[in-house]
Amino acid sequence: DSGVTQTPKHLITATGQRVTLRCSPRSGDLSVYWYQQSLDQGLQFLIQYYNGEERAKGNILERFSAQQFPDLHSELNLSSLELGDSALYFCASSQFKGQVGSPLHFGNGTRLTVT
Amino acid sequence: AQKVTQAQTEISVVEKEDVTLDCVYETRDTTYYLFWYKQPPSGELVFLIRRNSFDEQNEISGRYSWNFQKSTSSFNFTITASQVVDSAVYFCALSGDQGAQKLVFGQGTRLTINP
Repeated sequence: DSGVTQTPKHLITATGQRVTLRCSPRSGDLSVYWYQQSLDQGLQFLIQYYNGEERAKGNILERFSAQQFPDLHSELNLSSLELGDSALYFCASSQFKGQVGSPLHFGNGTRLTVT
Repeated sequence: AQKVTQAQTEISVVEKEDVTLDCVYETRDTTYYLFWYKQPPSGELVFLIRRNSFDEQNEISGRYSWNFQKSTSSFNFTITASQVVDSAVYFCALSGDQGAQKLVFGQGTRLTINP
């Protein structure tokens, strides 16, 4: 058990809808990351938050947004969903405090299916 | 730009055989970190090892060993006396010295250990 909690485990929704994925990092970790895993794109970095502030942005669509709250949990919001958004969404956390190199510890993922 | 290449898409061996998973990386950073993650059929991503660019010592952990060679930009992973439980997708990943922690993943190698 990595200590990172993601909810829900599965999500099935229709095109055009909006969903929110939630993540609680490991105790003591200030940094949260979101990754998308799809068959054609592999594991893609979406966004990183450190202590409530956005730290790095990857291939995140404008329809997607995220935030990290004062209690350090994070939410990833996906809107105007398309069939191609179906994927496994991972949250990870690390002890990153400005220096790179800390291992990322991943949650079990949320499997999103858009129909 | 950073890139990780895992040329072996799938490997299938018989139990007790030794198997090596290849990882080649590209980066312009002088300081960087390499990682291996395991994704078993249950779907979670499990951290296995981290290596920084200044530490070229090989690492051994039980049946697992890692060979880091800066001269060939490779960070290969060997499983000795493989077991069925080793069946998983294995990902190699790279993080550079950019003030943020963006892990760039390879496409993964699906390893199947047959009894």
